[in-house]
Amino acid sequence: DQQVKQNSPSLSVQEGRISILNCDYTNSMFDYFLWYKKYPAEGPTFLISISSIKDKNEDGRFTVFLNKSAKHLSLHIVPSQPGDSAVYFCAASARYGNKLVFGAGTILRVKS
Amino acid sequence: DTAVSQTPKYLVTQMGNDKSIKCEQNLGHDTMYWYKQDSKKFLKIMFSYNNKELIINETVPNRFSPKSPDKAHLNLHINSLELGDSAVYFCASSLQGSTEAFFGQGTRLTVV
Repeated sequence: DQQVKQNSPSLSVQEGRISILNCDYTNSMFDYFLWYKKYPAEGPTFLISISSIKDKNEDGRFTVFLNKSAKHLSLHIVPSQPGDSAVYFCAASARYGNKLVFGAGTILRVKS
Repeated sequence: DTAVSQTPKYLVTQMGNDKSIKCEQNLGHDTMYWYKQDSKKFLKIMFSYNNKELIINETVPNRFSPKSPDKAHLNLHINSLELGDSAVYFCASSLQGSTEAFFGQGTRLTVV
C-alpha cells in the first residue's frame, strides 16, 4: 500500500523555466510533509517542508504547496537550474510519529 | 566533517553470510534510523532508535538486528543474507520530535 505516491517517474525542464513536482498521499493522519533531493551515490538531503496548518511554504527558488482536501502537494522550482537535476522524494509523517513515509521519487532533468 | 557516515559504502557478499553496516552521526541527534531503498526505489523505514532504545521496528525479518551502543551510533547486523536483501541501506538521524532527518550516503549491499 503506497501511502505516498509520486506518479511521474521523471520530468525534463529547460533551464530557467519552472519545474513542478507532484505528490499525492492517502493517509489523512499525515500532517507534516517534506521534500528531499538526492544525487547519485549520495543520501537524500532535506530541501523544504510544510506543516498541514499551512498551504504554502517558500524558501528561495523552492516553494511547496499543500492542498489538504485533495491530499496533494507540489514542489515548484523557479527558475530551474542544471544543478537541480536530481531525484526528488516526497515524504510525509504523522504527528509525533518520527517516521517518514516516502514516495518513489521523481527524476528531474534540467537541460541547459 | 561528515554529519552521518556509514561504512562500508559498497558491500558484496555471498548468500548465507553474516554482515554488519556501521553508522555514526556527529550532529548531537538522539534519534537514529535505518531505511532500505529497494529495487523499486522506495525508501522504507526499518528501525528507529531514540537514546539507544528501539522505538520503531517495522516488519523486518529477524535476521536484521540493529544495535545502538550509544546515541551517536546505530549499527545494522544481518544474518544469513539472502538475495532479496540486496538494496541500498541508509542510516539517518534527527532530533527527537523532528521529522527532518539527515541521511548518510548509503551502503549498497549486493548478495550473490
